[in-house]
Amino acid sequence: DAGVIQSPRHEVTEMGQEVTLRCKPISGHDYLFWYRQTMMRGLELLIYFNNNVPIDDSGMPEDRFSAKMPNASFSTLKIQPSEPRDSAVYFCASSLLRRSNEQFFGPGTRLTVL
Amino acid sequence: GQQLNQSPQSMFIQEGEDVSMNCTSSSIFNTWLWYKQDPGEGPVLLIALYKAGELTSNGRLTAQFGITRKDSFLNISASIPSDVGIYFCAVFTGTASKLTFGTGTRLQVTL
Repeated sequence: DAGVIQSPRHEVTEMGQEVTLRCKPISGHDYLFWYRQTMMRGLELLIYFNNNVPIDDSGMPEDRFSAKMPNASFSTLKIQPSEPRDSAVYFCASSLLRRSNEQFFGPGTRLTVL
Repeated sequence: GQQLNQSPQSMFIQEGEDVSMNCTSSSIFNTWLWYKQDPGEGPVLLIALYKAGELTSNGRLTAQFGITRKDSFLNISASIPSDVGIYFCAVFTGTASKLTFGTGTRLQVTL
């Protein structure tokens, strides 16, 4: 199994531009999570999906952030417009069962907004 | 929101030494998890704890679920260079699958 796949691994953009991060979960997993990691705030959950349906988006910082999961094998996290304070590493994770202890994380996308 | 405080924030040790770190909260939890994040990678689950007082081992790693259910401890014996990374505790909060991570302990191992 290839594990959770994220693209791009690195993204550098200018303030005001739209950014789209992509994630392919492990095949058969029915939960998908988006996290953000910064030095100041640590690792924080942004949103998660169950069977492609958003369940908890309380961690999404503001309306500039949106996430979709059009099918079981693909999800996107979009930031529009991007701001320098959005610079962080964004992780996607997936798991198989409700309250599964083992969330499998992707390698992350390092986003830099200039 | 929930706050999981990890101590120490960072550690510099020599290869072969034992390591101890802990995670504390003001709230009670029923499950404690320990993850490790290698440089440039996502976190990976090391150990899961389900019962107050439980002691669980995974190779050179041993973790304990505090008896008060407000803390947990992780020990690494005979450290090796590949132990380098950030160690996070985590608990389930809010909705069923929502994980909250601790502040992390960064471990450096010197030869």
